[in-house]
Amino acid sequence: GAVVSQHPSWVICKSGTSVKIECRSLDFQATTMFWYRQFPKQSLMLMATSNEGSKATYEQGVEKDKFLINHASLTLSTLTVTSAHPEDSSFYICSASFHNSGNTIYFGEGSWLTVV
Amino acid sequence: GNSVTQMEGPVTLSEEAFLTINCTYTATGYPSLFWYVQYPGEGLQLLLKATKADDKGSNKGFEATYRKETTSFHLEKGSVQVSDSAVYFCALLGSNYKLTFGKGTLLTVNP
Repeated sequence: GAVVSQHPSWVICKSGTSVKIECRSLDFQATTMFWYRQFPKQSLMLMATSNEGSKATYEQGVEKDKFLINHASLTLSTLTVTSAHPEDSSFYICSASFHNSGNTIYFGEGSWLTVV
Repeated sequence: GNSVTQMEGPVTLSEEAFLTINCTYTATGYPSLFWYVQYPGEGLQLLLKATKADDKGSNKGFEATYRKETTSFHLEKGSVQVSDSAVYFCALLGSNYKLTFGKGTLLTVNP
């Protein structure tokens, strides 16, 4: 079946550096990918919607210059956390759908980011 | 906008006990409803779903029925196991393919 893969699963970076998280659809072409963020013991919050070949649509309150999203191909979307700070430490998870998936959303495994 | 309210946890049960996790929603139109499960240290997995009123989603002994009249999608299992210990999220899929999640309910099942 369809699979969405995220990389890396775990990453530790220093404050002020940037880190990139990849989200790949392995068995299908994902027309739309979504990026979510989960704080400890809280629910997932949608950060942005990524459409292939166009700019991402960010949810209110999400800094687009800090969380750069690139959906350059139908199988890859990347989230880059720029100038990371400890408060950016979180669990980031992507999801993807495609035209014929109906309302099925496939999730990646998630990426744990720790900024020290 | 859309919203999901689910029972706050944590919920602690003994093995073979009956489980109910309540979920209600507010939405425009006719959303699809989901339950996702997150095991410790892992990502989200789809547990079950229902796409229209009166549909019953079921998987691994879990069930939930889409009740439009009460805007609810309560999760139930007749006999829980230790391996069911996880965080459960109720979610709603709007017409724009955006998922709205509840806050999650931590379930701990003791042997």
